[in-house]
Amino acid sequence: AQSVAQPEDQVNVAEGNPLTVKCTYSVSGNPYLFWYVQYPNRGLQFLLKYITGDNLVKGSYGFEAEFNKSQTSFHLKKPSALVSDSALYFCAVREAGSGYSTLTFGKGTMLLVSP
Amino acid sequence: EADIYQTPRYLVIGTGKKITLECSQTMGHDKMYWYQQDPGMELHLIHYSYGVNSTEKGDLSSESTVSRIRTEHFPLTLESARPSHTSQYLCASSEFTEAFFGQGTRLTVV
Repeated sequence: AQSVAQPEDQVNVAEGNPLTVKCTYSVSGNPYLFWYVQYPNRGLQFLLKYITGDNLVKGSYGFEAEFNKSQTSFHLKKPSALVSDSALYFCAVREAGSGYSTLTFGKGTMLLVSP
Repeated sequence: EADIYQTPRYLVIGTGKKITLECSQTMGHDKMYWYQQDPGMELHLIHYSYGVNSTEKGDLSSESTVSRIRTEHFPLTLESARPSHTSQYLCASSEFTEAFFGQGTRLTVV
C-alpha cells in the first residue's frame, strides 16, 4: 500500500519570506511524486512532478521541490512567497512503472501568506 | 490547460432523486478517476477506470456507480441521493504520470 503524510494542516508565512510545505511518502517500489494546488471552489492544478533524474524539480509559479530518497520526502519550496500563493496544497504519490497504480494524496496543507 | 470538463459545477437536489455527474476529457487518456473531497478537504478515490469497459472501486466505499462506454466520457451516477452524499466530486484523467483534474461538481442534497 502507498501513503502520503503532510504533517502540517496549515503553514503561515509572511509575504517575501521563503516557504516550505512538507511531504513524506511510502510506496513499494520507486515513486512518482507530485504537488498540486487547489484554490477555493476549483479543481486541483498540477504544479510539478518528480519522475526520475535531478532531485530538485522546478514547476509552475516559481515553486520547486526536492526529492530525498533516504528520507522519503518531497518538500515543496518557494524562495519568496506571494499573497496569491495562499491556497490548499496536496502532495501525491504513485508507484513508478506500474500502469495500474493510482494516485494517493496527502490530507492537504493550507498555506496562508500574510501581506 | 488540461481539457477535462465536469458538469454541472453546482447542484442542489432533493433527497431520493437520481443524479448523474458528467465528466469528459479530450486528451485521449485511458485512465480516469473520481475523487470525493470531504469538508476537511481530504481527497478520497471512489472510482477509477483503465479504459473502455473497465471500472474499479476505489479506496472509499461509495453508493455511486460509474460507466466507461467511451474513452472520453466517465459519468458518475447516484440512484437515490441522500444528504450524506453532499460533497465536492472531482474527476481526473491521466496517461503515464500526472493526473489532470476538472473544476469539480459541488453537490448538495437537501
